[in-house]
Amino acid sequence: DTEVTQTPKHLVMGMTNKKSLKCEQHMGHRAMYWYKQKAKKPPELMFVYSYEKLSINESVPSRFSPECPNSSLLNLHLHALQPEDSALYLCASSQDPGQAYEQYFGPGTRLTVT
Amino acid sequence: DAKTTQPTSMDCAEGRAANLPCNHSTISGNEYVYWYRQIHSQGPQYIIHGLKNNETNEMASLIITEDRKSSTLILPHATLRDTAVYYCIVRGPYSGAGSYQLTFGKGTKLSVIP
Repeated sequence: DTEVTQTPKHLVMGMTNKKSLKCEQHMGHRAMYWYKQKAKKPPELMFVYSYEKLSINESVPSRFSPECPNSSLLNLHLHALQPEDSALYLCASSQDPGQAYEQYFGPGTRLTVT
Repeated sequence: DAKTTQPTSMDCAEGRAANLPCNHSTISGNEYVYWYRQIHSQGPQYIIHGLKNNETNEMASLIITEDRKSSTLILPHATLRDTAVYYCIVRGPYSGAGSYQLTFGKGTKLSVIP
C-alpha cells in the first residue's frame, strides 16, 4: 500500500472558523510533510515532521498549526485564515528522514477561505 | 540545492517518445536528480531519480550527461494520461535539518496530443 490519504477533499471556511485537515499513511514512513500550492504555481513546503517531531517550519504564519499525533497521522489545524490562504494543501510522506527516499503525495485538500 | 531550468511547455504526439530536458549546471557531486509529475488537480507523483548513471523503471528512463549538468526524462510511448506538469528537482545530501526537502521549480507542462 503506497497510499497517502487526505480528508476532506474540499473545504470552504469563513475567516472566523476553525477547521482541521487530516493526512494518513500506513507505509511505516517516519517523515511527513505539508505543502501549499496556489493556482498555477509549484508546491511550496510548509512543515516537516521527522519521527513525529516538528523539524522544519518554513516561516509559516501561526494561523496554521501542525500536529503529528502518531507516526501514521498528520493534522493541520486552521484558524482565522485569510482569503489569500485559499490553495491546495498537499500532504506527503517518505520512508526515512535521513535518507533521500522519494516522497509520496496525497491527493490534496482544496481549501477556499471566504 | 542546485537550481534547475526547464522549458515552460512541450507537445508530444500520442505514441511517440516524450523527451523532457532539464539543465542543472550548478549541481554538485553528491546531489541527486529527481523527477516528479503532477496531473491536473492531483498530488505530485514520483517518477524516477538518479545520481550519475542512467536509470530506467516501469514509468520512464532518466539520462544524465557525463558532466551531470543536464538530464533528460524519457517517456517511451506517451499517452494522453501522461499530460501533466513535470518537475525536475536537484536534491542535496542530508542537511541535518530533520529531513530532505523538495524544492519545486516551475516545471514543464507536457501536452500529449492525439
